[in-house]
Amino acid sequence: NAGVTQTPKFQVLKTGQSMTLQCAQDMNHNSMYWYRQDPGMGLRLIYYSASEGTTDKGEVPNGYNVSRLNKREFSLRLESAAPSQTSVYFCASGWTGAGNTIYFGEGSWLTVV
Amino acid sequence: GENVEQHPSTLSVQEGDSAVIKCTYSDSASNYFPWYKQELGKRPQLIIDIRSNVGEKKDQRIAVTLNKTAKHFSLHITETQPEDSAVYFCAATAGGTSYGKLTFGQGTILTVHP
Repeated sequence: NAGVTQTPKFQVLKTGQSMTLQCAQDMNHNSMYWYRQDPGMGLRLIYYSASEGTTDKGEVPNGYNVSRLNKREFSLRLESAAPSQTSVYFCASGWTGAGNTIYFGEGSWLTVV
Repeated sequence: GENVEQHPSTLSVQEGDSAVIKCTYSDSASNYFPWYKQELGKRPQLIIDIRSNVGEKKDQRIAVTLNKTAKHFSLHITETQPEDSAVYFCAATAGGTSYGKLTFGQGTILTVHP
């Protein structure tokens, strides 16, 4: 039981390149999330998926797209990376609804040069 | 949407002292308030949570209190130890159209000096 698994763990991109961060969970959760973490800014929600086939924008969605491929997998795509997207990205999963804990993956460190 | 403010941003205590971190939230419909601990280079991990029908919850050296009227909640750590040093985040689940989404505070860097 691996929990929430993210790949890659580290990535360096050039400005304008594209890439996809992959996330998978094996806890049968129906909600999945992508957060970014920047110094002094806490964890900010990029996109959210309450169930397979649905996605919603979070606080900072610009420059990102997501795909909820199936119940287990939720990917985050940067179409044209910018230096402002240098950050640590965390995928998380949990049960839909208020009052339910979410569990984080180990994080993906992304640098855009 | 929900807005969560967390204070202080840094907190330094001596081993054995108590530490208190406070958060306020804006959405009166929020009803779930977890606290996460994040060690350097690691993922955030849940340490305690409280639901809106409860005013206080305790787990060994950690306690959380909630004041729904004032819309604030606090984390209390007693008898602090060096291994408590980490970044702590509070969060609140927004209501309404943001149902189920967690909004986080900016984090508190806690340093416990031996």
